[in-house]
Amino acid sequence: GEDVEQSLFLSVREGDSSVINCTYTDSSSTYLYWYKQEPGAGLQLLTYIFSNMDMKQDQRLTVLLNKKDKHLSLRIADTQTGDSAIYFCAEIPYTGKLIFGQGTTLQVKP
Amino acid sequence: ETGVTQTPRHLVMGMTNKKSLKCEQHLGHNAMYWYKQSAKKPLELMFVYNFKEQTENNSVPSRFSPECPNSSHLFLHLHTLQPEDSALYLCASSQARDSGYEQYFGPGTRLTVT
Repeated sequence: GEDVEQSLFLSVREGDSSVINCTYTDSSSTYLYWYKQEPGAGLQLLTYIFSNMDMKQDQRLTVLLNKKDKHLSLRIADTQTGDSAIYFCAEIPYTGKLIFGQGTTLQVKP
Repeated sequence: ETGVTQTPRHLVMGMTNKKSLKCEQHLGHNAMYWYKQSAKKPLELMFVYNFKEQTENNSVPSRFSPECPNSSHLFLHLHTLQPEDSALYLCASSQARDSGYEQYFGPGTRLTVT
């Protein structure tokens, strides 16, 4: 079946690193995504990774993929208060349908 | 305007009302989507249109009726809704309805059914 799981809440202090974890079930997924949703806004694509990669870095963001364990993580270095938002992990399996996790609320304390 | 826009941003309607949500994309995409986002639940895909043809209906009740007159516009017509239909309704678009194409989301319409 298709299922994406995330922890619901993460709290960090400004300047620390944040790590948001995600597990997925469909090994046919060729792309895995991280979306960010700020209060009152739609989802914004942050980054994505191809399933044949194990790491992708984009400025403060690092995505790690463990395909064997079907585990995806998003690391945000030097977390800022502006990073406070809900972060969604998503996969696209062979069906072509984007499957989202429940979202992780990131709270950044000054 | 750029990106994906949705109107209205907020809507309050009674259970006997009829209203419509509008989505417009200015990205030249060919696929458009309606999602429902309820509190503490994953986003639920409702409908998919690819080149103006509906390709997916995820067992959505008939009180929700989509319309896609062209590749740039998508509507969601609402009638006799229930309080449990209160949610954020998100529209998205992508180059095509195939795996790997990024979906771009609008800001959503916050719907409250009283």
